[in-house]
Amino acid sequence: QVQLQESGPGLVKPSETLSLSCTVSGGSISNYYWSWIRQPPGKRLEWIGYIYYSGSTSYNPSLKSRLTMSVDTSKNQFSLILTSVTAADTAVYYCARDSGYYGSGNYFDYWGQGTLVTVSS
Amino acid sequence: QSVLTQPPSVSAAPGQKVTISCSGSSSNIGNNYVSWYQQLPGTAPKLLIYDNNKRPSGIPDRFSGSKSGTSATLGITGLQTGDEADYYCGTWDSSLIAVVFGGGTKLTVL
Repeated sequence: QVQLQESGPGLVKPSETLSLSCTVSGGSISNYYWSWIRQPPGKRLEWIGYIYYSGSTSYNPSLKSRLTMSVDTSKNQFSLILTSVTAADTAVYYCARDSGYYGSGNYFDYWGQGTLVTVSS
Repeated sequence: QSVLTQPPSVSAAPGQKVTISCSGSSSNIGNNYVSWYQQLPGTAPKLLIYDNNKRPSGIPDRFSGSKSGTSATLGITGLQTGDEADYYCGTWDSSLIAVVFGGGTKLTVL
């Protein structure tokens, strides 16, 4: 059974950088797409972007200018960096395995438990 | 305002059936597969339906999905109190070049 676990600071100051990692266990990170999705408190889900195990990426245009994703296949881990954060970036951040069927309708079949990141001074 | 529109809430009695709608446009639902997720209170979303009407292994056949034109529907039969959750639809939007989700529908089993 594939399991995902997010890790990173729970509190980030405004204008600083948010960094999260997701460790995959119970399966290989290879040959799959991996996405980050966030959910502000009481609000809808928002797709952040995906990274393929090879390193290719696609980002939500609304976040693209502040976003970087990377993957480390040796650690079965992928990461997210979001710069210049504001209170609007406060959310539960989820990592998820992505079917990768972009252009026809992808889906997310395994999710991490989520980690709350609060942006506040 | 969400690209995909869902009713904020639906309710029904135990044992009954409920449907949840998800309305979009030709840039999303109209030309892409839809997926549905169940989010129990305080937990991560869980995939219920993918490719409009397929169920992952382990999802009971009480859950079903359908799509017509630019709208999709999630159906739940034999409602149980354990089905109380938020339900989200999602798909790719070729205009926004992003995955989009509905605003979520809170299901109450009375």
